[in-house]
Amino acid sequence: QQPVQSPQAVILREGEDAVINCSSSKALYSVHWYRQKHGEAPVFLMILLKGGEQKGHEKISASFNEKKQQSSLYLTASQLSYSGTYFCGTYNYGQNFVFGPGTRLSVLP
Amino acid sequence: DGGITQSPKYLFRKEGQNVTLSCEQNLNHDAMYWYRQDPGQGLRLIYYSQIVNDFQKGDIAEGYSVSREKKESFPLTVTSAQKNPTAFYLCASSKGDSSDEQYFGPGTRLTVT
Repeated sequence: QQPVQSPQAVILREGEDAVINCSSSKALYSVHWYRQKHGEAPVFLMILLKGGEQKGHEKISASFNEKKQQSSLYLTASQLSYSGTYFCGTYNYGQNFVFGPGTRLSVLP
Repeated sequence: DGGITQSPKYLFRKEGQNVTLSCEQNLNHDAMYWYRQDPGQGLRLIYYSQIVNDFQKGDIAEGYSVSREKKESFPLTVTSAQKNPTAFYLCASSKGDSSDEQYFGPGTRLTVT
């Protein structure tokens, strides 16, 4: 079951903040976040695990609400380099890893 | 430098021909994955392998085949049975646990006419 991401797209000015959400209809074991720039491969940002453990880049902030089966990625003081498409990927119990449809982020000067 | 290589970057084939996409990693990772990405869309899992000589179907395996004879290599064959093979194909690897990040190769853009 593919996770749902919101918003589908967001436009920011440099320095502004954004939140990208990822939700699943099934219980989650872990949530992964990746960023992909046009024509390039996705790059790992963060993993959030059931139980509260997190792995990822220090400058990236995210949360994982196990009860609500949701995760949010927080982008603060955005820079031009933050532009790209953000994907969450989820491991549900007994199922394959599946990516969400993506959130397209554009940061303008 | 450790990483994942995919070749070629661009591939053109005629309809009805099988084509094999290469994926090699020197990260000593146990797990490897193949994804398909269509324009403006997310990544869909084709096949994955957690150990040599074993692999499992992903969500869109029909028309594709794989092999995992060596830990470093996970080639994908797009067969003539795949109805719409034109897409961007990404290979990834990880240490193998669901708590481990996936490292992606640069991708192969396949065009079938």
